[in-house]
Amino acid sequence: ELKVEQNPLFLSMQEGKNYTIYCNYSTTSDRLYWYRQDPGKSLESLFVLLSNGAVKQEGRLMASLDTKARLSTLHITAAVHDLSATYFCAGGDNNDMRFGAGTRLTVKP
Amino acid sequence: DAGVTQSPTHLIKTRGQQVTLRCSPKSGHDTVSWYQQALGQGPQFIFQYYEEEERQRGNFPDRFSGHQFPNYSSELNVNALLLGDSALYLCASSSRAYRPLQYFGPGTRLTVT
Repeated sequence: ELKVEQNPLFLSMQEGKNYTIYCNYSTTSDRLYWYRQDPGKSLESLFVLLSNGAVKQEGRLMASLDTKARLSTLHITAAVHDLSATYFCAGGDNNDMRFGAGTRLTVKP
Repeated sequence: DAGVTQSPTHLIKTRGQQVTLRCSPKSGHDTVSWYQQALGQGPQFIFQYYEEEERQRGNFPDRFSGHQFPNYSSELNVNALLLGDSALYLCASSSRAYRPLQYFGPGTRLTVT
């Protein structure tokens, strides 16, 4: 069974700083997903990474995938308050997606 | 284009009762998955429906059952509710033919007292 671990679970950042969230998974996974969730809200898809070496960027967020290391990273560049949310990675495929516990990010002025 | 919709938004039930949650998938999607998200945790996969049949199931007891209708909408039923069933229940839809992404609905917040 695929297991997904994220770290850190809690992250407090200053605006303008950079940081990386890590996502390790236990077995081969078809693909790796990153989602954002605001308090009391549903999940918003950020990235889908489909192959080794895949890198995707949207605004201040960049995600990458290393299938050999079974590792994905979500890099935050020059954080702003609007990025405060919980970020989840998930592995597997659409038939059985397994989520990490989430990283609760707080960006402070 | 309407996205994934779920009803009701919130629900309060008593231990031992039964509950039914509903989901309408995004237009063009034929597959519906259900997830349970307890407070402060990641979503846990309950099961998936495609062509009106349960195709995959996570580690949830038989108290959790579902159904998919010919129009692809789906219901999640939970019997003999426990306090631990209190959670946000998320429905996600996808297309079997175009696999990359699931789209999540707004969720139903279930509170069991």
